[in-house]
Amino acid sequence: GDSVTQMEGPVTLSEEAFLTINCTYTATGYPSLFWYVQYPGEGLQLLLKATKADDKGSNKGFEATYRKETTSFHLEKGSVQVSDSAVYFCALSDTTGNTPLVFGKGTRLSVIA
Amino acid sequence: DTGVSQDPRHKITKRGQNVTFRCDPISEHNRLYWYRQTLGQGPEFLTYFQNEAQLEKSRLLSDRFSAERPKGSFSTLEIQRTEQGDSAMYLCASGTEYNEQFFGPGTRLTVL
Repeated sequence: GDSVTQMEGPVTLSEEAFLTINCTYTATGYPSLFWYVQYPGEGLQLLLKATKADDKGSNKGFEATYRKETTSFHLEKGSVQVSDSAVYFCALSDTTGNTPLVFGKGTRLSVIA
Repeated sequence: DTGVSQDPRHKITKRGQNVTFRCDPISEHNRLYWYRQTLGQGPEFLTYFQNEAQLEKSRLLSDRFSAERPKGSFSTLEIQRTEQGDSAMYLCASGTEYNEQFFGPGTRLTVL
């Protein structure tokens, strides 16, 4: 079945450092890909998405590009802030997000001042 | 606030008791999803509805789990004869056929 693998955390970075969280997937067909973020004490929020190969999703300074050839959707940010501390989940669905999501295990990011 | 709401936010129960959780989706959303999240893991899909029809329930963890959405609006998830292994965060999400899923804050269940 479909699956998502993301790098294990926790990841600890200093403020203004560059962030990469790796995500690779296994799926039949052409899935849609997502990054969700879970801030402490809050629910999951959609951070960004991409629905076809070579699409780039972006939001709040975060970016991820749908790479079909490497089945990857790595999350990047050029300069992290303390407020970015959260757990990040990579996920896929088999259409535009309206079928059940398959999530990775999550990567906890801590940014220190 | 027009987001997804869940009630209760926390539930502590004794092993063997039945529990029921409620989810109120965003009003214009016809799809409603239930997921379970255990510590250190990503959410795991359980079941989902389109309006009042349950489209997938084979992923419910056992026959002790059931879900309903009788009028196509709010939904309930019931766990009968709870076990300690049922302790987890239960998440609800809503959406339509055309957009992404929006998650509620979750109900944290602790089975003693």
